[in-house]
Amino acid sequence: TQLLEQSPQFLSIQEGENLTVYCNSSSVFSSLQWYRQEPGEGPVLLVTVVTGGEVKKLKRLTFQFGDARKDSSLHITAAQPGDTGLYLCAGPSTGTASKLTFGTGTRLQVTL
Amino acid sequence: EADIYQTPRYLVIGTGKKITLECSQTMGHDKMYWYQQDPGMELHLIHYSYGVNSTEKGDLSSESTVSRIRTEHFPLTLESARPSHTSQYLCASSDGYGYTFGSGTRLTVV
Repeated sequence: TQLLEQSPQFLSIQEGENLTVYCNSSSVFSSLQWYRQEPGEGPVLLVTVVTGGEVKKLKRLTFQFGDARKDSSLHITAAQPGDTGLYLCAGPSTGTASKLTFGTGTRLQVTL
Repeated sequence: EADIYQTPRYLVIGTGKKITLECSQTMGHDKMYWYQQDPGMELHLIHYSYGVNSTEKGDLSSESTVSRIRTEHFPLTLESARPSHTSQYLCASSDGYGYTFGSGTRLTVV
């Protein structure tokens, strides 16, 4: 069974601070995705990384896929209250690319 | 603009009642999924479908059932609701690259 462990589980920071969220597994993934879920809504896809070592930027968010394709990180620069939410990494389940295994989640709260 | 719709958004229902959670998408995606999520926690796959008349159980055992008679429609039914079914239910569809989720149905069984 593939597992995606995220750390930290909870993170409360002030506006303007930087942070990094980690997504780790003992399994190799062909790709990893990151989603953000706001309270009361469904997750929204932020990015997909497919190549080991790949770095993608989305405004203040930087996503990196590990060289061995077993881990990924999300770095937020100068966090804003609008970044508050649950961040989930996800990767294709073994045997079928059509099912995703979701990570344990990181709950981020950014306060003024 | 939502392309995948779930109704109702909130539902409070008594134990033993039969309920159907609706999910419809307008994107023509063949793949659809139901996830169960406790507040702020990880998502657990309970059912999925790769097309019309195709349904499979997911990783988390569930007493619910699903049907896929039309591409755009993937309803989930609980024949007899129990308090242990209290949770958020999320529907998603995929074109094979990423998931598009609905806003969810928050179910409370009293």
